[in-house]
Amino acid sequence: LAKTTQPISMDSYEGQEVNITCSHNNIATNDYITWYQQFPSQGPRFIIQGYKTKVTNEVASLFIPADRKSSTLSLPRVSLSDTAVYYCLVGAPNDYKLSFGAGTTVTVRA
Amino acid sequence: GAGVSQSPSNKVTEKGKDVELRCDPISGHTALYWYRQSLGQGLEFLIYFQGNSAPDKSGLPSDRFSAERTGGSVSTLTIQRTQQEDSAVYLCASSLGQPSEPQHFGDGTRLSIL
Repeated sequence: LAKTTQPISMDSYEGQEVNITCSHNNIATNDYITWYQQFPSQGPRFIIQGYKTKVTNEVASLFIPADRKSSTLSLPRVSLSDTAVYYCLVGAPNDYKLSFGAGTTVTVRA
Repeated sequence: GAGVSQSPSNKVTEKGKDVELRCDPISGHTALYWYRQSLGQGLEFLIYFQGNSAPDKSGLPSDRFSAERTGGSVSTLTIQRTQQEDSAVYLCASSLGQPSEPQHFGDGTRLSIL
């Protein structure tokens, strides 16, 4: 499994865009990238998944450069309710033992 | 629709007792996962089921831990002779088919060993 590195924490203010970059230098050819969000006392929730270029859904965008050695989760116009831990995972389609590291704690302030 | 349901939501027990944690996955989800999360930490993978089969049990911390899944649905995680270091939140997730499918998590069972 590719090792991932992401910042431990990030602070932001309501209405701003938050970008969290995850490094995965040894990503394999068939690995995909998935992001989850976790609120206190809840299980993680799937946000977005991608393989290359850009993926966008109603919640976030995922930017993946051509070399795929990193990826950036972009949260547009955050609100206080976006305060959570965000996890970046990298794995192949048949990798069931995905690694949820420490994640990035995002704190949104008023 | 109904999500992943875990019970009990909280469990307090004495050291040395056995505990059983239950997970009801989303109907139709063939894959089921158990994780453990200690306070302020990431998720530690415990075991994965595809249908009723668990191809890899190496994530279970010790032989006091066991898990089963019957009828391709409900799963139970059993911890025998609990120790204080077993205190954590135990999370269950399910997904459609392949591991690449997004996992849907329950809210966990918070286990406290006195």
